[in-house]
Amino acid sequence: DVKVTQSSRYLVKRTGEKVFLECVQDMDHENMFWYRQDPGLGLRLIYFSYDVKMKEKGDIPEGYSVSREKKERFSLILESASTNQTSMYLCASSSRDRGFVQPQHFGDGTRLSIL
Amino acid sequence: KNEVEQSPQNLTAQEGEFITINCSYSVGISALHWLQQHPGGGIVSLFMLSSGKKKHGRLIATINIQEKHSSLHITASHPRDSAVYICAVENIGGTDKLIFGTGTRLQVFP
Repeated sequence: DVKVTQSSRYLVKRTGEKVFLECVQDMDHENMFWYRQDPGLGLRLIYFSYDVKMKEKGDIPEGYSVSREKKERFSLILESASTNQTSMYLCASSSRDRGFVQPQHFGDGTRLSIL
Repeated sequence: KNEVEQSPQNLTAQEGEFITINCSYSVGISALHWLQQHPGGGIVSLFMLSSGKKKHGRLIATINIQEKHSSLHITASHPRDSAVYICAVENIGGTDKLIFGTGTRLQVFP
């Protein structure tokens, strides 16, 4: 079974802090994604990566950056945390099988509170 | 207007009832996904389909490409089916990203 592991289930940080959210997958997937989930808005894509050192902006990249130095690890960075970044953050990974995209596998999520 | 719309937003049912959740989309797609999210956050993929119908246990997913519509059915519903069900589509010709609906919250009472 694919395992996507997020480093923390709950995290509390202060405004202005630099925050790192880590995600590791164990199935050699090419694609990795960071989403945030807010009530009434559904899942929104922040950034995704389709290979090591490659990244693309999603729908809401402002205030965030990412790092993918190794295939299995995809980090989300809040450069200077603000209260409007309080949210549930979900990481996912997926692969291609004979050119067809496979379902995404999700981590359990990190509930981040910025005070 | 969202590119992926789900209805209803909230749904309550008695155990044993047949349940239908609907998803309509406005873009050309290569595939549609149904996902389930239980309280606590974890999301699992239920179905990925590009045509016709798929069945897994008590769950059935159908898609009509011409009408740009998909349905998720749950037969003989059970309290453990209580969750948020999310529809998502892969935009045709796009990258491997998904466009998500806002989800349908289902509560099944004993």
